[in-house]
Amino acid sequence: QLQLQESGSGLVKPSQTLSLTCAVSGGSISSGAYSWTWIRQPPGRGLEWIGYISHSGSSYYSPSLKSRVTMSVDTSKNQFSLKLSSVTAADTAVYYCARSRWSSSGYSFDYWGQGTLVTVSS
Amino acid sequence: DIQMTQSPSSLSASVGDRVTITCRASQSISDYLNWYQQKPGKAPKLLIYAASSLQSGVPSRFSGSGSGTDFTLTISSLQPEDFATYYCQQSYSTLAWTFGQGTKVEIK
Repeated sequence: QLQLQESGSGLVKPSQTLSLTCAVSGGSISSGAYSWTWIRQPPGRGLEWIGYISHSGSSYYSPSLKSRVTMSVDTSKNQFSLKLSSVTAADTAVYYCARSRWSSSGYSFDYWGQGTLVTVSS
Repeated sequence: DIQMTQSPSSLSASVGDRVTITCRASQSISDYLNWYQQKPGKAPKLLIYAASSLQSGVPSRFSGSGSGTDFTLTISSLQPEDFATYYCQQSYSTLAWTFGQGTKVEIK
């Protein structure tokens, strides 16, 4: 059974960089059949797709966050990472990592981590 | 961006009721539409992908339909464990995937 687990700083100061890692177990991140995604959810609000990265390191980001997002993958550790720079209070959210699966009709997120709350505050 | 609008935003229903949630896209997205269920404090769970395909392990009382701009998630007989928030999500727009705002299903 595939499992994903987020880790990283739960409290980040404004203007600093948020850094999170997602460890994947029960399957290889190097499988070309999938890509690896970050999604966030501000408290009490809906879901926002941040971006995804392939096993080869090709990354694609939401246009609204593109200027501040960097994703990377470490196949030797079976994990992938998110960095979000110049954070503000609006970036306070639960951050989820997920696996993106391709079908003939687009991508869906079939496995998710439990989520980690990141609070931006001085 | 393609905007996804769900209706209603919330609904109250009883166990055994048939429940229908609608999702409308701001432009045609073919059948590039997924549905998720989220319970408080938990990660979302994939229910339906490609508009009408049931994800493995999901009870058959859940079904999806639609194509183009209008989509529906139906729960044929609401069970106690189905009280949750439901989200639609499109992946038609290249590199700008978006979710609906959610529909909260509450106990009447």
